[in-house]
Amino acid sequence: AQSVTQPDIHITVSEGASLELRCNYSYGATPYLFWYVQSPGQGLQLLLKYFSGDTLVQGIKGFEAEFKRSQSSFNLRKPSVHWSDAAEYFCAVGSTGGGNKLTFGTGTQLKVEL
Amino acid sequence: GAVVSQHPSRVICKSGTSVKIECRSLDFQATTMFWYRQFPKQSLMLMATSNEGSKATYEQGVEKDKFLINHASLTLSTLTVTSAHPEDSSFYICSASATGINYGYTFGSGTRLTVV
Repeated sequence: AQSVTQPDIHITVSEGASLELRCNYSYGATPYLFWYVQSPGQGLQLLLKYFSGDTLVQGIKGFEAEFKRSQSSFNLRKPSVHWSDAAEYFCAVGSTGGGNKLTFGTGTQLKVEL
Repeated sequence: GAVVSQHPSRVICKSGTSVKIECRSLDFQATTMFWYRQFPKQSLMLMATSNEGSKATYEQGVEKDKFLINHASLTLSTLTVTSAHPEDSSFYICSASATGINYGYTFGSGTRLTVV
């Protein structure tokens, strides 16, 4: 069965500092990987996704993620965090069968200090 | 881009009553829709997957008679919480995907259900 682990429940960074959110997945084949962001009381917004090809994926809002098969990881990065980036971040893995379900990690709450 | 509208955003209902939540794809045809439940400060739990014109597939542990899902058209899916109880209070989110969109999912803005 597929699974996603986000080891960090909470992360606090200073505005302008760099950010890396960790994501490890378990999946039997080539995974389809996603990062979503959720503001309080809102739905999910897609930041970026990886299907195949270049392992460094660029997304919206200055985010990027790198797929590392050897480490089963898909970490999210941003070189300079803005106060508006404070939110909950979810990593997800998709299956190629079974209705293309997404399995989500437990999320990482990002706090940005001014 | 793909937009999914979910209504209502908030609803309060009395125990024993039923509540219907709508999920509409506004600018694309959603062949598959997903319904999630999210508890405070927790991740999303998939409740069911619905394909247009067929019965929904429920995840293990989800009561299909309590959470009725209808996907009657390519742009509308509904989730009805029947005989609601306080423990059904939660944040419900729908998501839609379609053929022709490269394995993408678009999420609604969620519905906060409070059962009193």
